[in-house]
Amino acid sequence: DTEVTQTPKHLVMGMTNKKSLKCEQHMGHRAMYWYKQKAKKPPELMFVYSYEKLSINESVPSRFSPECPNSSLLNLHLHALQPEDSALYLCASSHAGVGTDTQYFGPGTRLTVL
Amino acid sequence: KQEVTQIPAALSVPEGENLVLNCSFTDSAIYNLQWFRQDPGKGLTSLLLIQSSQREQTSGRLNASLDKSSGRSTLYIAASQPGDSATYLCAVFSGAGSYQLTFGKGTKLSVIP
Repeated sequence: DTEVTQTPKHLVMGMTNKKSLKCEQHMGHRAMYWYKQKAKKPPELMFVYSYEKLSINESVPSRFSPECPNSSLLNLHLHALQPEDSALYLCASSHAGVGTDTQYFGPGTRLTVL
Repeated sequence: KQEVTQIPAALSVPEGENLVLNCSFTDSAIYNLQWFRQDPGKGLTSLLLIQSSQREQTSGRLNASLDKSSGRSTLYIAASQPGDSATYLCAVFSGAGSYQLTFGKGTKLSVIP
């Protein structure tokens, strides 16, 4: 199984809503990543988890809250988002080394904030 | 600060043609360079990863080279097919002691049947 899955595929939420994005992999990877990608732009790193511990937080606003409940799962909790947060949110994983191994990406969640 | 540039921004070629995509980076102190493809509205698919100690990697019709000293990488696609149409991104991992993964803006490739 060489797949990273993400749910939901699409999400529309209001600025007062609370929602969560989910990412799952069963490749035994120990590094997991959240990226944000705006239209026609490259992905921007948000968070990195290494062995279930948050190792990198790229100065992301606190309305985004990551969680890694176990080695296969990565969540991104969303609260009080702004319309400019609308984007494609991508999850990735790699074997162990943060950045040193091939990253496998999920299909993304298309988020629209009204 | 690492900067990654991809040229051209867009490329249109007839089916069957061989082509080269270019990626350049400003800081040669890198750990690796990875090429991805991205279809519209989709996630990224890893194509090739070249470690800093390597000169090239090959997978099927794809060949990626790395010249660290000059800050350049090329992705060579042989016998292009319409299914190769996508945006190709290169990403450089650098930054001793900190995580820096810098993406280029991509080259949008269209292969015309």
